[in-house]
This record gives sequence, C-alpha cells and structure tokens, in this order.
Amino acid sequence: DGGITQSPKYLFRKEGQNVTLSCEQNLNHDAMYWYRQDPGQGLRLIYYSQIVNDFQKGDIAEGYSVSREKKESFPLTVTSAQKNPTAFYLCASSIDPGGEYEQYFGPGTRLTVT
Amino acid sequence: GENVEQHPSTLSVQEGDSAVIKCTYSDSASNYFPWYKQELGKGPQLIIDIRSNVGEKKDQRIAVTLNKTAKHFSLHITETQPEDSAVYFCAATPFTGNQFYFGTGTSLTVIP
Repeated sequence: DGGITQSPKYLFRKEGQNVTLSCEQNLNHDAMYWYRQDPGQGLRLIYYSQIVNDFQKGDIAEGYSVSREKKESFPLTVTSAQKNPTAFYLCASSIDPGGEYEQYFGPGTRLTVT
Repeated sequence: GENVEQHPSTLSVQEGDSAVIKCTYSDSASNYFPWYKQELGKGPQLIIDIRSNVGEKKDQRIAVTLNKTAKHFSLHITETQPEDSAVYFCAATPFTGNQFYFGTGTSLTVIP
C-alpha cells in the first residue's frame, strides 16, 4: 500500500522541550510539505522540500526546523522557540515540486504541549 | 502572495439537498484549484480539482466551476448524504508558485 505515514498520532510534551514529528512516504514523490492546522485557520505551510537535501521556509517557519536527508522522509522538529506549539500537524507529498498536482496528506499528528 | 477566501464557514443542509461552497483568490496567475475533504481527526483527501483552462468539471455528485475573470471557484455537491458531512477546503496554486494556498475551510453538516 502506497501512502504517507505520520507517527505518532498523539504526542504530549512539556513546555521547553523539543519534539520531532515523523513523516514517511513510499510514493516516490519529490516534494514534501509540513502544515499546521488550527481551528478556523485552515492549513498553514511551515516548510516544504522540493528535492533531497533542500528545503524552504513556508509562511510560519519560526520555531520549527526540518531535514530532508532521504527522499522518503521529512521530519519536523518543533523547538522550544515555537510560542504556541499545540496544534494538529499534517505532512503531505506531491509528485510535482511545482505545485500543480495533487498533494497527498498523511493522517496527522496532534501535538499537545503543557 | 496568494490570498484565498472561503465561504461559508459552516453549512447545514437536509439530506438530498445541494450544498455550494465558494472560494475567491487574489492572484490572477493561479492555475490549479483543488478541493479537499477532511473527516474528523484525519488528513485531507482530494475530492476534485480543476485547472485554469477548464470552466467546469464533474465527478458523479460533485462538481467544481471556475470563473477566471471574477477569480472565484465553487464546489457543488448534489443529493447530499450524511457521509458528506466533513470539513471542505479549497486551495489555489499560482503558476510561478510551488505551494498551495488554502481557504479557511467549510464545515458541512448533512442532516438525515
């Protein structure tokens, strides 16, 4: 079965701790994305990567970091510098780095920081 | 950058009625417009998309229309069923861009 997996589904952390969210895809897609979803605000882009070893900041990158060492994997680290990290995080991938084709989404990780 | 507005934010319809969700975009260079359905606690899934060289596209009970002059596009769901209840998002991608710009979502409830 091809698709995107995100783990874990629920994550709880104490304030001040960094936390890494996993995203893996076996679709052989070049482009991968991280979004943050908050109630009433839709999906906001955190980071995206069009190719291995390259990534760009999205609209709300502050307090987050990513890496793209392998085509299949695009982990997101939520650092202690992120002021309001509690949210639903979605990873996506696309065959087309140019943004003109469907993005496939994972099931999401709900992060709660207290 | 692109700005996508989506209305209404909530919509309730009786089973069997039609539902219409509208989006406007600001960048006239946008050329790809997908619609996603998100069920509670899950990731969004593409239900239909349209490109700027087409004015309308249908897939069974779902259709999307695009008016490039007015810079708006709409999702139409006919003969709604309870399983259509979900949050729907529109998005737009500028021709020179490499990211989607999403609307803020519409929570659709189909009342049996």
